[in-house]
Amino acid sequence: IAGITQAPTSQILAAGRRMTLRCTQDMRHNAMYWYRQDLGLGLRLIHYSNTAGTTGKGEVPDGYSVSRANTDDFPLTLASAVPSQTSVYFCASSDGRREQFFGPGTRLTVL
Amino acid sequence: RKEVEQDPGPFNVPEGATVAFNCTYSNSASQSFFWYRQDCRKEPKLLMSVYSSGNEDGRFTAQLNRASQYISLLIRDSKLSDSATYLCVVNPLKAGNTPLVFGKGTRLSVIA
Repeated sequence: IAGITQAPTSQILAAGRRMTLRCTQDMRHNAMYWYRQDLGLGLRLIHYSNTAGTTGKGEVPDGYSVSRANTDDFPLTLASAVPSQTSVYFCASSDGRREQFFGPGTRLTVL
Repeated sequence: RKEVEQDPGPFNVPEGATVAFNCTYSNSASQSFFWYRQDCRKEPKLLMSVYSSGNEDGRFTAQLNRASQYISLLIRDSKLSDSATYLCVVNPLKAGNTPLVFGKGTRLSVIA
């Protein structure tokens, strides 16, 4: 692994289903983030974590949950997916020296 | 006023042209600033940091005007490969791992 990986690359999901998007980084960064990107709306922060064991809400947290059991992993869970959660999801990490590194993204379609 | 505002474009310019993007930010306490580049269907990647004194990286020049709260990016001698969306990014606070604030981006198309 080099940098940040996300899985799956893409997913089509029925409304009402539960889904977990995975994010793993091998840079030992303290901070990790989840964004969604929609046409015309730019990147919007969903949740973040400044260090393992802590999480915080971003701009659009409703319908999503996260956990940070260790430094490397930061999964994002949609408990009951809805069509408005169709988006591209990016995970990012930072070592606190300000630059954020992004994963390749997950394209999620909720039908 | 949105935290970070950019002209969405698109800017359509011929190869070799010089193009400039501006970005304004609302939080006067913001401490650090960046330009990211995002190619279609790809993740954003850091293009360059923006320093108070202005900085240059090859054909790219970034400048910061704290008094007017704006940041600029100048691209000289545009290449086809410069076609992308350019995101203005601001770190709103001084300490800690504060999430960066991203503008919605300015789309550039360089035409042959």
